[in-house]
Amino acid sequence: DAKTTQPTSMDCAEGRAANLPCNHSTISGNEYVYWYRQIHSQGPQYIIHGLKNNETNEMASLIITEDRKSSTLILPHATLRDTAVYYCIVSGTGNQFYFGTGTSLTVIP
Amino acid sequence: KAGVTQTPRYLIKTRGQQVTLSCSPISGHRSVSWYQQTPGQGLQFLFEYFSETQRNKGNFPGRFSGRQFSNSRSEMNVSTLELGDSALYLCASGPGGLGVGANVLTFGAGSRLTVL
Repeated sequence: DAKTTQPTSMDCAEGRAANLPCNHSTISGNEYVYWYRQIHSQGPQYIIHGLKNNETNEMASLIITEDRKSSTLILPHATLRDTAVYYCIVSGTGNQFYFGTGTSLTVIP
Repeated sequence: KAGVTQTPRYLIKTRGQQVTLSCSPISGHRSVSWYQQTPGQGLQFLFEYFSETQRNKGNFPGRFSGRQFSNSRSEMNVSTLELGDSALYLCASGPGGLGVGANVLTFGAGSRLTVL
C-alpha cells in the first residue's frame, strides 16, 4: 500500500510557482522521499529526492518538514509542459516503490 | 548515456496466449524492477531483480514471471493472458545496492500490451 497521501488534483497559473504537498506520516528513519512525474502515460520521470534536508535541482525544490511527516515539491515557474501526474514516494534502500494515485497538476495558460 | 530501453513498445495478444517483454537497463545498473500500470489500479510493483536473483515480489499471480541475465538485461513473461492483463508495463533500472542510500530509479517508456 502507498505510504503517502496527495491531493487528487491541482491547478497552477503558467509562470507561477506550483506547490505540491505530500503527507507521509509513517515514514521511517532510513526512508527517502522521492518525487516523480508522468506525462501522457510515458514512463515516470525522476524529479528530486531527499532524506531530511531541503533539496534543490534544476527542475524543482523539495521542502521536508523537520519531523519528516510531510513534504512539498515546488516547481518555481510552472510551464504548460509541467502538466502531469506527480507522485510522491517514500522508500528505503530497496527498489520497491509504492505509487499512490498522485496529484494531477494542470498548468493553465 | 542511453536510458532504459523496453521492447516491444506496443503489442496485441489474444486471451490464453503468452507474452515476453524485454528491458535493457542503464549501463552499470544492476537492479531491474517491473511495474504494471492500469487505469483502475494505477502503478503496481511486480518484481525486482538484482544480480540475476529476484529480490522482491509484488502481489501478482504466478502467471507473471521474470528473469535477469548476467548482463543485467531482464525479461518478464505473462502466461495465459487475460483481458485484465491489458496494461502499460514499465521497467525501471537502478544502481541497486542495499544500504547505499537513495536509489533513484530510471524508468523506460513502457510496453503497452492489449489483450483481445
